Amino acid sequence: DAKTTQPNSMESNEEEPVHLPCNHSTISGTDYIHWYRQLPSQGPEYVIHGLTSNVNNRMASLAIAEDRKSSTLILHRATLRDAAVYYCIPTGNQFYFGTGTSLTVIP
Amino acid sequence: DSGVTQTPKHLITATGQRVTLRCSPRSGDLSVYWYQQSLDQGLQFLIQYYNGEERAKGNILERFSAQQFPDLHSELNLSSLELGDSALYFCASSQNLAGNEQFFGPGTRLTVL
Repeated sequence: DAKTTQPNSMESNEEEPVHLPCNHSTISGTDYIHWYRQLPSQGPEYVIHGLTSNVNNRMASLAIAEDRKSSTLILHRATLRDAAVYYCIPTGNQFYFGTGTSLTVIP
Repeated sequence: DSGVTQTPKHLITATGQRVTLRCSPRSGDLSVYWYQQSLDQGLQFLIQYYNGEERAKGNILERFSAQQFPDLHSELNLSSLELGDSALYFCASSQNLAGNEQFFGPGTRLTVL
């Protein structure tokens, strides 16, 4: 299983961009990289996933390193509602969520 | 609203008892996943069903079992309950086997006294 490393916590000012890093140096060539987030007192919420190319959707962008050993989730303008725990999950981890990064958004 | 429903929302029971948690997936989703989230262990994957068949197993105890019925709803049975089983239990569903986009329910909070 691919091991992931994420910072325990990060802070961002409201309306500024946020870059959430994830290292997954042992990822296999066929593993997708998924990002989920969990808002307080709620179930996890799918954010985005990708394989090799950078991906964009209405919630965020996912930048994947060329060697695929790391990826970065980009929130273009953080809002208070984005305060959550963000999980990076390679497919091969069979849905192992780990401890994620707790994002605090400062008004 | 993810479209995944879980019942009950809260459950309080005693040690040694047995409970059943229920999950209805989003319309059209064939995969159902069960997760346990406790304060000290984070979110733990328990088991996955796809179209009625067990497809993947995680850290599920032998005292726990699950099944997915022909109408695709799923039940998680927890027996011989211990204090340490107190946790939030989430169900998620996805369209396919790979689970590339899982939709989570609101969870069932189980308290074992």
